[in-house]
Amino acid sequence: EPEVTQTPSHQVTQMGQEVILRCVPISNHLYFYWYRQILGQKVEFLVSFYNNEISEKSEIFDDQFSVERPDGSNFTLKIRSTKLEDSAMYFCASSEERARRSGELFFGEGSRLTVL
Amino acid sequence: GDSVTQMEGPVTLSEEAFLTINCTYTATGYPSLFWYVQYPGEGLQLLLKATKADDKGSNKGFEATYRKETTSFHLEKGSVQVSDSAVYFCALRNNYGQNFVFGPGTRLSVLP
Repeated sequence: EPEVTQTPSHQVTQMGQEVILRCVPISNHLYFYWYRQILGQKVEFLVSFYNNEISEKSEIFDDQFSVERPDGSNFTLKIRSTKLEDSAMYFCASSEERARRSGELFFGEGSRLTVL
Repeated sequence: GDSVTQMEGPVTLSEEAFLTINCTYTATGYPSLFWYVQYPGEGLQLLLKATKADDKGSNKGFEATYRKETTSFHLEKGSVQVSDSAVYFCALRNNYGQNFVFGPGTRLSVLP
C-alpha cells in the first residue's frame, strides 16, 4: 500500500540552527501538507502546497519556515533558525484531490524535532 | 473559525468494555467529519469518516454517526481490545478550505 515517508524520524538540534525535514508524498497525490504536534497537544496545521506554491498557511508558519518541492518526489520543510518552542512532532501529509471535501489526508509517521 | 472539541482523556477501560469518545464541532457550511487514530510511535491513520448528515462511518468495529442537529460525531465501539490503546483525533474538513481542523485528541488505554 502506498505511504507517505518522512526523514529523519528524530532530529536533535541546537537553538538557532537550521533544520530541514523531508517527506516523500504518495506518488499520484497533488496536495501536500505539514502539520505539527507539540508533545501532548493538538495537531496544528502549518501549510498546504499545490502546483509548486503555498496555497494556504497558518499563523504559525512565519518567516522562519519555508517549504519546497525540489524535485518530483520530495517535499521539504525548512526551519531557518530554530527556537525551543519549535520542538514538536512534524507530520507530512498528502491528498489526492482538493475539490472534494471528503478527500482524506494520508499522514507520514512524523519527524520528531528536539531543540536544545 | 472552524473548531473541534473532544472529551478530555485519558480514558481507561477494561478489555471488552463499551467505548464512547465524544466529539462536537463548530463549522460553517457542511463539513466532512473524520476520526483519525495514532498508535504509539506512529503517525495518524484514518479510522473512519462521514461526509453528510446521518451518514455512519465504520471500521474495525468502531462507528460514528454524523449528527448535524447536535453538531456531533461521537466515536463508539461495543467491545474494546488492548490493541485499541491509542490516541483518537476527531477532525473536520470544510468545503472551502484544504486543511483539516483537528480536535485535541483523546488517549485511550485498554487494560487486559
